[in-house]
Amino acid sequence: GQNIDQPTEMTATEGAIVQINCTYQTSGFNGLFWYQQHAGEAPTFLSYNVLDGLEEKGRFSSFLSRSKGYSYLLLKELQMKDSASYLCAVFDSNYQLIWGAGTKLIIKP
Amino acid sequence: IAGITQAPTSQILAAGRRMTLRCTQDMRHNAMYWYRQDLGLGLRLIHYSNTAGTTGKGEVPDGYSVSRANTDDFPLTLASAVPSQTSVYFCASSDSAGGPVEQFFGPGTRLTVL
Repeated sequence: GQNIDQPTEMTATEGAIVQINCTYQTSGFNGLFWYQQHAGEAPTFLSYNVLDGLEEKGRFSSFLSRSKGYSYLLLKELQMKDSASYLCAVFDSNYQLIWGAGTKLIIKP
Repeated sequence: IAGITQAPTSQILAAGRRMTLRCTQDMRHNAMYWYRQDLGLGLRLIHYSNTAGTTGKGEVPDGYSVSRANTDDFPLTLASAVPSQTSVYFCASSDSAGGPVEQFFGPGTRLTVL
């Protein structure tokens, strides 16, 4: 079966750095997405990786290792507004998006 | 520019009733999707449409039907609602199907079936 694993919840301090991991086992791979979802709101796109390595976008970076079935989202200089759930999703061989359950990130002052 | 709109925002429904969730996008995207989101589970695809006039089944299609008469609208119908269909429903769209492109999401409909 297809499976995407993320930690259920993480806590970090304002101004710090946090890394949210995602491991996947899917039938094929055509890219990995990270989305942010604030409570009660819709998911919004953060990043996309299809090749191994690090993609940096401001305070957010996303890393992919296809051989290990592994990705992480790195958030720097955490702000209170970063409190949200972070969803990892993989495009499988049928170009269907398979979603992880999401990681709820709690930022403390 | 609204993006994607969904209606209603929330609804409480008696079991056995019929319900249609509306979704409209103004981005002229070819592909549209319906997901349900339940606590502790990832988003699960119910139905999708790669282009106007075509639809397909996702991971959890039972009890739901869709239609795609035009590019902009993609309604989701529950023919006879059951309590297990209590969930938050998100409509999404993307510029093309069959490729790893970003999906844009509507604000969601919170549905409670009693």
